[in-house]
Amino acid sequence: AQSVAQPEDQVNVAEGNPLTVKCTYSVSGNPYLFWYVQYPNRGLQFLLKYITGDNLVKGSYGFEAEFNKSQTSFHLKKPSALVSDSALYFCAVRDTTTSGTYKYIFGTGTRLKVLA
Amino acid sequence: EAGVTQFPSHSVIEKGQTVTLRCDPISGHDNLYWYRRVMGKEIKFLLHFVKESKQDESGMPNNRFLAERTGGTYSTLKVQPAELEDSGVYFCASSQVPRNEQFFGPGTRLTVL
Repeated sequence: AQSVAQPEDQVNVAEGNPLTVKCTYSVSGNPYLFWYVQYPNRGLQFLLKYITGDNLVKGSYGFEAEFNKSQTSFHLKKPSALVSDSALYFCAVRDTTTSGTYKYIFGTGTRLKVLA
Repeated sequence: EAGVTQFPSHSVIEKGQTVTLRCDPISGHDNLYWYRRVMGKEIKFLLHFVKESKQDESGMPNNRFLAERTGGTYSTLKVQPAELEDSGVYFCASSQVPRNEQFFGPGTRLTVL
């Protein structure tokens, strides 16, 4: 079965330090991977995606993610965290089993807390 | 350009009552998706519309849930009768073509007492 795992419920990091939010996936065929962020009382905002090409994907707000096929991972990273990055982050993979739907399979989310 | 909007933002109802959630996708987006996040778990797919047609409704939990998209614009999701386990946040998303990234609305938080 296709799935996404976000092993950490919460990640704490000091402002200015690098951050990593982990995501691993299981999917048949080529993975199409996404990161979304949810700020309080807001919807899910698209951060970045991996479809094909370079393993390092750059996205919004200075975030990037590294696709690693051998480890089936797609970790979200940022070189220097800001307090305003504190939010709930979701990793998702596009379902490849149902033709024409392209629905997402999400992880359980990781709450990032950046401490001043 | 306006994003995906959802109404209401919050709804508190009693078990057995009916609730209708509304989603307005981004103008011109034929693809509309409903998802649900229950009790801090993963966000789960409910169904997918292409215009007014249901492309995939494999995620609908049971027949107490009815989704419609008359005219291929906005969509409604009705829960009748609501049960305690229906509590959660219901997200709507839209995309111009299915393989593009989906744009999500702010969600409707449903609490069933």
